[in-house]
Amino acid sequence: GNSVTQMEGPVTLSEEAFLTINCTYTATGYPSLFWYVQYPGEGLQLLLKATKADDKGSNKGFEATYRKETTSFHLEKGSVQVSDSAVYFCALPSHQAGTALIFGKGTTLSVSS
Amino acid sequence: DADVTQTPRNRITKTGKRIMLECSQTKGHDRMYWYRQDPGLGLRLIYYSFDVKDINKGEISDGYSVSRQAQAKFSLSLESAIPNQTALYFCATSDPTGASTDTQYFGPGTRLTVL
Repeated sequence: GNSVTQMEGPVTLSEEAFLTINCTYTATGYPSLFWYVQYPGEGLQLLLKATKADDKGSNKGFEATYRKETTSFHLEKGSVQVSDSAVYFCALPSHQAGTALIFGKGTTLSVSS
Repeated sequence: DADVTQTPRNRITKTGKRIMLECSQTKGHDRMYWYRQDPGLGLRLIYYSFDVKDINKGEISDGYSVSRQAQAKFSLSLESAIPNQTALYFCATSDPTGASTDTQYFGPGTRLTVL
C-alpha cells in the first residue's frame, strides 16, 4: 500500500532562515500529495497540495514540488517566521481506504526571533 | 463558526469505562473520518464513512466502534477504555464531488486521557 516517510525533527531555526522538510513516498499510481500544518492546540489544516507530477503547491510562502523521479515532495520556505512554529505533516491518500489519508510522523518546527 | 466540531475537547476517564466522542460538521460533506494522533507516530486512521450506510474499518479499529447517525454526525466509541487509548483524536471530512475531492478538513481534536 501507499506510504510516506518524513524527516524527523525537531527542527529549530532562527527567524528568516531557510527551511526544508523532506518527504518521500511510495504509492500505487500518482496520487495527490499534501502538506498539512498543526499549530499549537489546533487541528490540522491543509497547507498545500499537488495533484500530479511536476506540480508545485504553494501557500503562505511555503512550496513543495511533486517529483515523480525521486518520489519526493519536500516542503520549503525561503524565510521562516516565528508564526511558522508548528508541526508539519506530509500525507497522501490510502490506496486501500479511498480518500482517507496516510500521514508521515510529523516534523516539529520551532522558530526563534 | 467552526465547520467541523468535536465534543468534548478534553476528557479524562478511567480504565474500563465506556466513552463516546462526537463529531459534527456543517460542510455538507458525505465522507467522514476518525484518526488518532500519538506523539512521534503521526495520525492513524481508525474508521471512515463514505455515507450514512457505508462504514469501514481503518488501520487501528480494534477497541473502537463508530456510529454515523446522519450525514453531519459521526461518533466514535470506546467500549471499554484502556490506558493505551490515551491520545489526541481528530475527526475529518471530505467532499467527493467538489473541486478538492481529496482534501480533508479537520476538527479541533479531543484530548482523551485514560487512567
